[in-house]
Amino acid sequence: QVQLVESGGGTVQPGGSLRLSCATSGYTFASYGMHWVRQAPGKGLEWVAVISYDGGRIHYADSAKDRFTISRDNTKSTLFLQMNSLRPEDTAVYYCANTYFYDRSGYGASYWGQGTLVTVSS
Amino acid sequence: QSVLTQPPSASGTPGQRVTISCSGSNSNIGSNTVIWLQQHPGTAPKLLIYNNNERPSGVPGRFSGSKSGTSASLTISGLQSEDEADYYCAAWDDSLSGSYVFGSGTKVTVL
Repeated sequence: QVQLVESGGGTVQPGGSLRLSCATSGYTFASYGMHWVRQAPGKGLEWVAVISYDGGRIHYADSAKDRFTISRDNTKSTLFLQMNSLRPEDTAVYYCANTYFYDRSGYGASYWGQGTLVTVSS
Repeated sequence: QSVLTQPPSASGTPGQRVTISCSGSNSNIGSNTVIWLQQHPGTAPKLLIYNNNERPSGVPGRFSGSKSGTSASLTISGLQSEDEADYYCAAWDDSLSGSYVFGSGTKVTVL
């Protein structure tokens, strides 16, 4: 079965950095795009970034541009999110999601991981 | 402020039909397909509907989706207690450099 497992979350001071990982299994990782989506405590879902199956197309939310970098290693079936210059408002559970099911745009979020909590606080 | 507009809450008694709306624009729902997600407290979102009206294997048949123009809707026919959760719509938005947009979420309460 399809599995996505996030890791790398934790507590970091404002201005610090974290690197999140999303290890996947149960499907052909290299054939599908991947999203990062976050959810602040008590709030709704907020899209962060998406990367195409081969890494050739990447899109970021305005809140992530110039601070976050999405990348993937198709040989290890793993997705990454490098987060720099972290702010308190980045505090959230970060989810990865694949684009397994058909979507006209090619970017429909399908299977989701369980999430990893990032807390930015001094 | 979410790009896609959903009512904050909806409710019904067991067995009733509940419909949640999702309103967007030409650049998102009007041009692309819609997904619906279910999220129980403390858990990850789960895909209920993709490609406007298709259900992944394992999703009960009481969940159905539709789309017309720049709006979409999720209907729960025969509401059950375990359907009490938050529901989100989402779609790709073609404006500017492109982004994936979510609705603000609808809390469904089973009375």
